[in-house]
Formats: sequence, C-alpha cells, structure tokens
Amino acid sequence: DTGVSQNPRHKITKRGQNVTFRCDPISEHNRLYWYRQTLGQGPEFLTYFQNEAQLEKSRLLSDRFSAERPKGSFSTLEIQRTEQGDSAMYLCASSPTSGGYDTQYFGPGTRLTVL
Amino acid sequence: AQSVTQLGSHVSVSEGALVLLRCNYSSSVPPYLFWYVQYPNQGLQLLLKYTSAATLVKGINGFEAEFKKSETSFHLTKPSAHMSDAAEYFCAVSARNTGKLIFGQGTTLQVKP
Repeated sequence: DTGVSQNPRHKITKRGQNVTFRCDPISEHNRLYWYRQTLGQGPEFLTYFQNEAQLEKSRLLSDRFSAERPKGSFSTLEIQRTEQGDSAMYLCASSPTSGGYDTQYFGPGTRLTVL
Repeated sequence: AQSVTQLGSHVSVSEGALVLLRCNYSSSVPPYLFWYVQYPNQGLQLLLKYTSAATLVKGINGFEAEFKKSETSFHLTKPSAHMSDAAEYFCAVSARNTGKLIFGQGTTLQVKP
C-alpha cells in the first residue's frame, strides 16, 4: 500500500492554457475526493466519486473544471482556460467506504501556478 | 449547514509547554470531527477523529481531543510540545451522507526552543 499519489506535484502554466492533474487512490478505496487549498486557507471541497460515479460537485467547480474516474480507479481533474484565480494546491483523498466517519487519506497535492 | 471555526490562526508555544488548539463546530446532526496536520508542501495527515464513541479521543504523536457537545467544541491538546510539532493544523467536520470534509481555516503552530 503506497498511499495516495498525485501527478504532477507542481505545474506552472500560462493563463488560458488547459491543465490536467492525476490522482491514484489507495487500491480498493471506493471513495475519491478532490479539494482545493489556497494560501492560508483550509481545503475546500470540489467533488467526489463513489467508484466511477461522480456524486456531487461544489459550486466552486465552474464549467471550466471537469473531473473523471473512468474505471473507478484513478481520477483526473482538468481545468480549461486557466485563470490566475485557479492558482492553488489541488488535493486528492480516498477512503475505503462511504461512511462519513471514514478516514480520508490525502495525497501530497498538485500545486498549480497560473502566470 | 455544517461549519467549523478555529480560534487563532497562529499559536506560539515554547518547547515542552502545553499545546491547545481550539475548534468549535456547528452541526444540526451529531457530528463526525477530525483533526489533520499538514507539514510544508505536503498533504494532510490524520491526527485523530471523533465518531460518537468515547468523547476523549487519543491520536498519534501524543495528541488528544475532547468532544464537548454542550460547548460545541473539539479542542486539540498535547501536554508537551516538541519542535517537530510545528505545522499547520486543521479541524474538520464530515457530512454524514457524503463524507465530504468541511475544514476550518487552520492554525499554524510555532514551537520555540
């Protein structure tokens, strides 16, 4: 069990470009969550998956954001036409079941800088 | 709606002193509560969680927290601070049906030698 991994760890892009991040959860974890963390703030929920189904999206997730988990394993988060306000740390977490009491295991995050 | 408030964005203690990080929650249903720690440029690591069993919860690295329903609080304590405890600490409440975490704004703990 190698934990949750995220790639890339850092991404620098120019405004208007598209970016894609990948998250590999702990194997056999059914739940996968995406959060966004800006400097000096706590993480904010973006979206989550139960296996391959995306069950909730935050209002923070504009139409420029899309997330997938095609086979219920890894997940991708794509941001189209990036804006400077998208600069943040994007965190992925997974948990074994659907209970709200379950521990979420976080990856190291992808730090996005939009110039 | 559920929410968490962490009192004090920055706490400074001397090595060996008591650590007290404050967290108050708002929830219309019995909450699940968590404390996570984040070291620079890393993800979050669970310290401890309350899931309606014992109100005094013990976690890793000598930390513990007490759930007080009457005060809607879940404060984190450690009897004796170590230099390695310097980090960002987040309190969070979980939405029971979705499991999504609602985090406080965090408290930076500084430990002085």
